[in-house]
Amino acid sequence: QKEVEQDPGPLSVPEGAIVSLNCTYSNSAFQYFMWYRQYSRKGPELLMYTYSSGNKEDGRFTAQVDKSSKYISLFIRDSQPSDSATYLCAMSGSAGGTSYGKLTFGQGTILTVHP
Amino acid sequence: NAGVTQTPKFRVLKTGQSMTLLCAQDMNHEYMYWYRQDPGMGLRLIHYSVGEGTTAKGEVPDGYNVSRLKKQNFLLGLESAAPSQTSVYFCASSSSRGVKVYEQYFGPGTRLTVT
Repeated sequence: QKEVEQDPGPLSVPEGAIVSLNCTYSNSAFQYFMWYRQYSRKGPELLMYTYSSGNKEDGRFTAQVDKSSKYISLFIRDSQPSDSATYLCAMSGSAGGTSYGKLTFGQGTILTVHP
Repeated sequence: NAGVTQTPKFRVLKTGQSMTLLCAQDMNHEYMYWYRQDPGMGLRLIHYSVGEGTTAKGEVPDGYNVSRLKKQNFLLGLESAAPSQTSVYFCASSSSRGVKVYEQYFGPGTRLTVT
């Protein structure tokens, strides 16, 4: 079983829809949770990160972490065609120290927002 | 400011051939990483470096070697390529300071096919 599980989709939604992307994980040591966005044939770019449980909002994007359920989510409000990409969740145990930025990624969810 | 660059962008190798992938960053980052991305597997860490002259193994290091002789460069070598090494390879870099380690900047990738 993978440490981080993410439904690969693909997910297709109409413009303006609310999108929910999710990951589950098994390692209770994970404390930092990231979402990266990857456009086709490009490298990933960091969207958001959260520490421990709770919510974080940035414009149309909201990240949620539920450590008790080992479940994280990314919500996209008022989705746009420009949001069409692969979304990767990533996790790590600690900032700096012996983690050295090592991340465990999910498989990625392919999202298409059609006009 | 080019960020993270990778050369070459594409390469086809025959089984048993060797090659070196070059990664360069101009952000003065201490940490650098090599990942591979395969369908359904997400990104997996091959090797990483926390500073000039230091390297360490990641999740899938077998069949690869790395070197970091200069802070801005991180080289990934395949001594004897195998078809299982057909993949897209991404280099990334980050600061070493606290949560900044998770703001990893990725290059555009190298698409490698081994026949």
